Amino acid sequence: GNSVTQMEGPVTLSEEAFLTINCTYTATGYPSLFWYVQYPGEGLQLLLKATKADDKGSNKGFEATYRKETTSFHLEKGSVQVSDSAVYFCALRGGSDYKLSFGAGTTVTVRA
Amino acid sequence: GAVVSQHPSRVICKSGTSVKIECRSLDFQATTMFWYRQFPKQSLMLMATSNEGSKATYEQGVEKDKFLINHASLTLSTLTVTSAHPEDSSFYICSAVQHNEQFFGPGTRLTVL
Repeated sequence: GNSVTQMEGPVTLSEEAFLTINCTYTATGYPSLFWYVQYPGEGLQLLLKATKADDKGSNKGFEATYRKETTSFHLEKGSVQVSDSAVYFCALRGGSDYKLSFGAGTTVTVRA
Repeated sequence: GAVVSQHPSRVICKSGTSVKIECRSLDFQATTMFWYRQFPKQSLMLMATSNEGSKATYEQGVEKDKFLINHASLTLSTLTVTSAHPEDSSFYICSAVQHNEQFFGPGTRLTVL
């Protein structure tokens, strides 16, 4: 079956530091890959996505590249801000039924 | 566009009572909605798929008689937690599908005393 493995947190950074959150997946076929962000007390918001190998998703300074050879979709941001403090979820969709498989989530705290 | 709302945002109830949570797609029609449960500092667990005009499809281990789902229209799905107990306390999140993507509601915090 489909599964997503995400690096464990929590991650604490200083403002302007570089952020990487590792995500690897197991899936049959050609899944679509997503990163979602959840701010405290809120639902999930789509941060970025990639639907095929070598695609790069980007948004708000965050980037992730769909690497089929390493089955990875690592999230990166070059210079984080306090407002980036949130929980980040890697997810995949493997089929046509729209179901998502989520990683465990990584809590990121950025300090001023 | 693609806004999903949930009501209420927070609810506290006594053990043994039933609680209804609404999920609405505000600016689009959704034939498919999903209900998730999220425990503190954990990932989302898919509970069921809600399809307009038909019975919900529940994931393995989710009690369908405990968590009643009704998708009565293309913009509304409801989750009713029947005879709630403290172990049902959780954050419940719904999502609605538009253009092959899931758009998530803000979540409902249920506390059962």
